[in-house]
Order: sequence, then C-alpha cells, then structure tokens
Amino acid sequence: DTEVTQTPKHLVMGMTNKKSLKCEQHMGHRAMYWYKQKAKKPPELMFVYSYEKLSINESVPSRFSPECPNSSLLNLHLHALQPEDSALYLCASSQVGFLNSPLHFGNGTRLTVT
Amino acid sequence: EDQVTQSPEALRLQEGESSSLNCSYTVSGLRGLFWYRQDPGKGPEFLFTLYSAGEEKEKERLKATLTKKESFLHITAPKPEDSATYLCAVQETAGANNLFFGTGTRLTVIP
Repeated sequence: DTEVTQTPKHLVMGMTNKKSLKCEQHMGHRAMYWYKQKAKKPPELMFVYSYEKLSINESVPSRFSPECPNSSLLNLHLHALQPEDSALYLCASSQVGFLNSPLHFGNGTRLTVT
Repeated sequence: EDQVTQSPEALRLQEGESSSLNCSYTVSGLRGLFWYRQDPGKGPEFLFTLYSAGEEKEKERLKATLTKKESFLHITAPKPEDSATYLCAVQETAGANNLFFGTGTRLTVIP
C-alpha cells in the first residue's frame, strides 16, 4: 500500500459529465502533483501545488481544473472531457525543495471517457 | 532540448541472469536522478536518488550508478518478482519541482 491514496480507482464518464478525482496524503508533504500517464508511456506532469498554491500548470486544457483545499488534499475536477483524455491519472507528493525528498506516487485513477 | 532516453525498451531475462538497464540524459544541470519501479496498473514506486557522478546506491538485487551522461540500474540474479517497468527521471538544477521521465524499460524475468 502507498502513503498517497487516490479515489476512485476506476472511473468511466461521458463527455458531458462532471467528475472529480481525489488524492490524500498524511506524510506532511507540502508539494503535491498531478501526472497523466497513457499506456506504455512515461508520466507527464500536469500541475504542481506548493504550500497549497498552484506553482506549475503545464499548459493543461481548462477542462481539467485542480484544487488544493488543504495541505493533505488534492482534487482534479473534470468537465467536458474527450476520449483522448482516457489515461491513468497519478497523484504524487513530496517535501518542498525536493532535493532530499523523492516524489511518492499513489496508485492512480484509471479514467475512461466514452 | 532536455531528454531522458532509456534502453533497452524491453528486456527478457532468465531467473538468475544478471543485466543492466541504461538511462541517458541531457539536461542543462542535474539536480537529481531518480529510479522508480512501476507494476501494471500501479503508481511508480521510488527506488533510488542519485545526485552526483560516481555515486552508487544499492537495494537488495538492484544497484544504481551515475556518470555525467548516464545512469545504470544493475540487476543481479533477478527473480520473477523483479518483473516490472523501470523508470528513470531527472530533475534540472534550474527547474522547479518537476521530473522528466524516460519511457522506461519493461523487464520480464522468466522462472
């Protein structure tokens, strides 16, 4: 089991639906991340939150909306997605500054857009 | 352009047959190189961090080494449970909290 918990594990949604992915960590980390991973590809960074503030947005379409309500929680709100957005969405956390703190990943949410 | 390249793309080994995975990188300044293991349908699991050329880290049957241009993950006498995709990632000195991942090596260890 990982120390980063993601829910749900699987999600199927239509292109007109609104859904949210949730991530929780209790390691005291103040940096949290969303990555997207397509099959047989490496994870690609989407967003970084540092001290609950958005610090990196890798030109992600606005149909993905991140939220960090507190230091332990990270959400990704989904709206009007496209089938090509189907992927494994990974949450990760680390200490800020990073040098001695690797990213700890959750097991992801497998998203299918129909 | 910054790049992280892993080879081979896939590797099949007999149980007990030692081998090495390669990660070549070109970044403006290396802050850290990370090795992860990823099982199907799971998130990457952290293995090692290497910071400077000449550094080595070991964990059970795995040993990671780092030069100025590349890193190797040596697997000694692998077992079937070592089968996974091994990902290499680098963080630039000038960059923010981001990792550039390589495409990984899919390792299969046959009993």
